[in-house]
Amino acid sequence: QQQVKQSPQSLIVQKGGISIINCAYENTAFDYFPWYQQFPGKGPALLIAIRPDVSEKKEGRFTISFNKSAKQFSLHIMDSQPGDSATYFCAASRQGAQKLVFGQGTRLTINP
Amino acid sequence: ETGVTQSPTHLIKTRGQQVTLRCSSQSGHNTVSWYQQALGQGPQFIFQYYREEENGRGNFPPRFSGLQFPNYSSELNVNALELDDSALYLCASSLASGVPNEQFFGPGTRLTVL
Repeated sequence: QQQVKQSPQSLIVQKGGISIINCAYENTAFDYFPWYQQFPGKGPALLIAIRPDVSEKKEGRFTISFNKSAKQFSLHIMDSQPGDSATYFCAASRQGAQKLVFGQGTRLTINP
Repeated sequence: ETGVTQSPTHLIKTRGQQVTLRCSSQSGHNTVSWYQQALGQGPQFIFQYYREEENGRGNFPPRFSGLQFPNYSSELNVNALELDDSALYLCASSLASGVPNEQFFGPGTRLTVL
């Protein structure tokens, strides 16, 4: 019940397109869902996060959509740019727990 | 405001040796978590330290141990290194009274075990 499943493993999008990465979780106690961006040789950087009391959160070109009944959430990157090329991780956690449970990651490539 | 820093950047050890990795938390943060990230995988939680005590542990054997100091910096110690311990070790800091579960990661230490 601690798993977070992420798809796709890799994604290629043209510049200006929309990148969509999906995650599904099993543990209904999870109540915090962040997305991290990681460049090669760097640590993950917190991008955006959502809690289950809202269905969508937008920050600039990045949007999280959350479907509590389906136990799924997704990251949408609008107007994707070559600088967005990185590995993206979804994660989940529950209040009172110490750990983030991460998905396997999606390697995103934006072609110019 | 300074971010999370880790040292060393890279480390090469041989099987059976011991290693110590260091982490300085983000200014104002009092909680430190350690994660192991194998190549091509997501980070896996090792343990967390708060008020100089272990405050939760993942599925890692006792040869993985840690410390937190009064200035909130932390160490990860790994004894009897195995080849599978080769990974990027990430430290994340957070504020216990801040946004729940919001963690900020350092650049990591790349450990290679030969």
